[in-house]
Amino acid sequence: SQQGEEDPQALSIQEGENATMNCSYKTSINNLQWYRQNSGRGLVHLILIRSNEREKHSGRLRVTLDTSKKSSSLLITASRAADTASYFCATDAVLGKLTFGKGITLSVRP
Amino acid sequence: KAGVTQTPRYLIKTRGQQVTLSCSPISGHRSVSWYQQTPGQGLQFLFEYFSETQRNKGNFPGRFSGRQFSNSRSEMNVSTLELGDSALYLCASSLVGAGTEAFFGQGTRLTVV
Repeated sequence: SQQGEEDPQALSIQEGENATMNCSYKTSINNLQWYRQNSGRGLVHLILIRSNEREKHSGRLRVTLDTSKKSSSLLITASRAADTASYFCATDAVLGKLTFGKGITLSVRP
Repeated sequence: KAGVTQTPRYLIKTRGQQVTLSCSPISGHRSVSWYQQTPGQGLQFLFEYFSETQRNKGNFPGRFSGRQFSNSRSEMNVSTLELGDSALYLCASSLVGAGTEAFFGQGTRLTVV
């Protein structure tokens, strides 16, 4: 079963705009991680946020975590065409096991 | 530091055959986990190994098995291949598994014909 559920399922924006993606999960977690995947290739790790953290930044990325609502958001600022990819959130409620959502397809138009 | 290396990158096998996929984790990482990705089911957890011991297993039939060697390299094996086993198989490594970032390889694209 899917632990993480991202929304929207697909997002299309213009280069330079911000992209916001949301993820909800069902059970208590230790951490939540966001990944990017280009065209069926490997997953690229973007950022990890621990359950006791509320917000984290990495370059153009900002991640928030609300454990009371069991949700997280990923904000990509000043998007670029190269940000076009699928984005996944993954939770680790169980030791050594990541549970992924179905992913969000982001298209950034030049 | 070298990333996670998976070999081979592509495989074509016939129904009924078996296949072995290999994963070399990032140096120093002791946890290796495997995932299957298909368009219909998304990313599904197969199993996780830490210090040569399987710590966790997903809901896959016994045809899917794995192991980890003393150098942390891991292999997964699928026997009696079925058409539905066609997928991208991804391996991830992390320092200890829980609470640490998991880094993925480029995957092995398996096609069963």
